[in-house]
Formats: sequence, C-alpha cells, structure tokens
Amino acid sequence: EPEVTQTPSHQVTQMGQEVILRCVPISNHLYFYWYRQILGQKVEFLVSFYNNEISEKSEIFDDQFSVERPDGSNFTLKIRSTKLEDSAMYFCASSLLAGTETQYFGPGTRLLVL
Amino acid sequence: QKEVEQNSGPLSVPEGAIASLNCTYSDRGSQSFFWYRQYSGKSPELIMSIYSNGDKEDGRFTAQLNKASQYVSLLIRDSQPSDSATYLCAAAEYGNKLVFGAGTILRVKS
Repeated sequence: EPEVTQTPSHQVTQMGQEVILRCVPISNHLYFYWYRQILGQKVEFLVSFYNNEISEKSEIFDDQFSVERPDGSNFTLKIRSTKLEDSAMYFCASSLLAGTETQYFGPGTRLLVL
Repeated sequence: QKEVEQNSGPLSVPEGAIASLNCTYSDRGSQSFFWYRQYSGKSPELIMSIYSNGDKEDGRFTAQLNKASQYVSLLIRDSQPSDSATYLCAAAEYGNKLVFGAGTILRVKS
C-alpha cells in the first residue's frame, strides 16, 4: 500500500540553525501539506502546496518557513533560523485531490531545537 | 477562529463495549469530516471520513454527522485494548486545510 515517507525521523539542531525536513508524498497525489504538533497540543496546519505553489498557509508559516518541490518526488519544509518554540513533530501529508479528499499522513519528523 | 472541540477524556470502556466519541465544529462552511487515530509519538492514522448527514459504517466503526447541530461522532463497537489511543476529529472546508480537535484519549480495559 502506498504511503507517505519522511526523513529524518529525528533531528536535533541548535537555535538559529537551518533545517530541512523531507517528505516523499504518495506518488499519484497532487496536493501536499505540512502540519506540526507541539508536544501535548493539537495538530496544526502550516501550509498546503499544489502545482508548484503554495495554495494556503497559516499564521504560523511566517518568513522563516519555506516549502519546495525540488523534483518529481520530494517535498521539503525549510526552517531558516530555528527557534526553541519550533520544537515539535512535523507531519507531511498528501491527497489525490483537494476539497473533501482524505489526507494521508507520513510518520513525522521529531525536531528538537536546543 | 475555526474550532473543532472534543472532550479530552480519558474515556474508559471495558473490552467488548461500545466506545462513543464526540466532536463539535464551529465553521458551517466545513464540508468533510475525518476521524484519525493517533498512538503516542506516532502520526495520525485515518479511520473514517464522512461527508453527508447520517451514519457511515466501516467494520466496527460508525461515523455519524449532523450538520444542523455541527456535530460528528464515532462509535467503536466491540472495543479492543488495541483501540486504546487518542482519537482526533478533523474538519475541512472545501479547500485544503484540516482543522483538528485536541483529541479524546480512549482507554479500553481488558
């Protein structure tokens, strides 16, 4: 069964450093998403991406965040200058279509900023 | 601010019983609703989706939607200890973003 994959599973970084989180969405899916979950809190939407551009982003997704689809399979989230409060689980998701389509989640990357 | 509200629990049920999980949402524009299961430290795993008023059954799971009351529920029949997890309710407008509730912790005791 096709699944979303993410690398790395864990990442530890120093405050102020740049990190890139990688995702491989399900191969025939067209819509890609990033969510995050701070420990003990809700899953929060960050950004959605379609046709090589951002289709929606949340207030969390400020100028320190960026997304890219550098090739036909990968979808990346870059955090330019990490802050302590960026420590969270970051989930990538994909869906075949938008609207009512189900989003399938990857296993997540646990980011710890020291 | 669009919200999805869930009772945090924990909801404790004996093995073999029916577990009933509830969710309300604030945005009347929401078109589709999802129940995800999340084990500690893991990602959300889809259980069911529901788009129309009424019931939708899939094995031991039944989702119920009442758009007039802005209410979604999930029934788990014949609950098993392996069903012990946090259950996340999510709502989506016609568009992309999922808005999640905080989740209800379910504990099934053998």
